Amino acid sequence: AQSVTQLDSHVSVSEGTPVLLRCNYSSSYSPSLFWYVQHPNKGLQLLLKYTSAATLVKGINGFEAEFKKSETSFHLTKPSAHMSDAAEYFCVVSDRGYNKLIFGAGTRLAVHP
Amino acid sequence: NAGVTQTPKFQVLKTGQSMTLQCAQDMNHNSMYWYRQDPGMGLRLIYYSASEGTTDKGEVPNGYNVSRLNKREFSLRLESAAPSQTSVYFCAGTDRPNSPLHFGNGTRLTVT
Repeated sequence: AQSVTQLDSHVSVSEGTPVLLRCNYSSSYSPSLFWYVQHPNKGLQLLLKYTSAATLVKGINGFEAEFKKSETSFHLTKPSAHMSDAAEYFCVVSDRGYNKLIFGAGTRLAVHP
Repeated sequence: NAGVTQTPKFQVLKTGQSMTLQCAQDMNHNSMYWYRQDPGMGLRLIYYSASEGTTDKGEVPNGYNVSRLNKREFSLRLESAAPSQTSVYFCAGTDRPNSPLHFGNGTRLTVT
């Protein structure tokens, strides 16, 4: 069965420094992978998706993620954090056998001035 | 564009009461989903509807029922609410299974 593990429940960075949010997955299939962001009291918004076209995926707001099959990882990065990036981030893997998406537990990103 | 609309935004129930959470989308999605979000657990799938006229159980279906009334609407019913059902509930839709989801803004439910 598919699963996804977000390695950090909380990450804290200073404004202007790089962001790294880590995600490992397991999948019996060639997976589709996603990152979503959730701002306080809001629904989730898609940041980016990987569907086997290219291993480095660029998303909205300057975020990108690299699919590494050998490491079963799909880490999310951004070169320079902005205060507006403070939110919760979810790594998601598709479970094609059951037609659904499997969510990680989430990583809460705090950005300090 | 309204997107995915959930009502109500907030609800407080007493144990044993029933209620229906409403979800409507105007994005022509074929598939619709109900998730619950609890701290430290991410989102867990309650029920989903791959297409109009079909519904299937997800990871945590116990205590819930759903109705796919038509292509636009997918409701979630709690027949006898329990404190363990205190959570934030999200409805989502997509054109096809395993594709990116469009989420509503959630319903925050408290059961006392």
